[in-house]
Amino acid sequence: NAGVTQTPKFQVLKTGQSMTLQCAQDMNHNSMYWYRQDPGMGLRLIYYSASEGTTDKGEVPNGYNVSRLNKREFSLRLESAAPSQTSVYFCASSEFTAGGELFFGEGSRLTVL
Amino acid sequence: DQQVKQNSPSLSVQEGRISILNCDYTNSMFDYFLWYKKYPAEGPTFLISISSIKDKNEDGRFTVFLNKSAKHLSLHIVPSQPGDSAVYFCAASDPLIQGAQKLVFGQGTRLTINP
Repeated sequence: NAGVTQTPKFQVLKTGQSMTLQCAQDMNHNSMYWYRQDPGMGLRLIYYSASEGTTDKGEVPNGYNVSRLNKREFSLRLESAAPSQTSVYFCASSEFTAGGELFFGEGSRLTVL
Repeated sequence: DQQVKQNSPSLSVQEGRISILNCDYTNSMFDYFLWYKKYPAEGPTFLISISSIKDKNEDGRFTVFLNKSAKHLSLHIVPSQPGDSAVYFCAASDPLIQGAQKLVFGQGTRLTINP
């Protein structure tokens, strides 16, 4: 039972390069999320997708784009990476349940030089 | 503006004693509060939650207390075990938006249990 799978786990980019973080869940959840974690800041919501075909901005969406490819997959794209986007990125999924938990992937550590 | 705050970056507790982690929030519209535990190089995992209409929820060694008038919640771990050493995040949930569970996280508290 894989749960939420993120790829790649580590990536180093140069300023201005682009990349896509991939996320897939096998729990048949409707909602998916991308968070970033920075030291002293906790986790901050970048984008979320309440259901297949919908995406919405979270707290810190600037510099990112997302695609909900199907019910299982939700990707995060950095079009022109900046050093401020150096962070650990977490994908999560959840069901349509008030107060229900989010299930997180193991994280993707991104360094932008 | 930090809507959810964990003011203690770290906490050290003796094995077998009680660990108390605290969290404050500012938004009275939050309808659920959750605690997550995170080990290094892993994703956060759900620990326990409480509805805003309750004041206590217990699950084994873990109890969460909610004081709505003070906008404060706490997580009690009794007895503390070495495996409890981790970073603990408090999170608050905005009411469901189109079914999505938007969580606002605190900064985290690193708990160390000493043998």
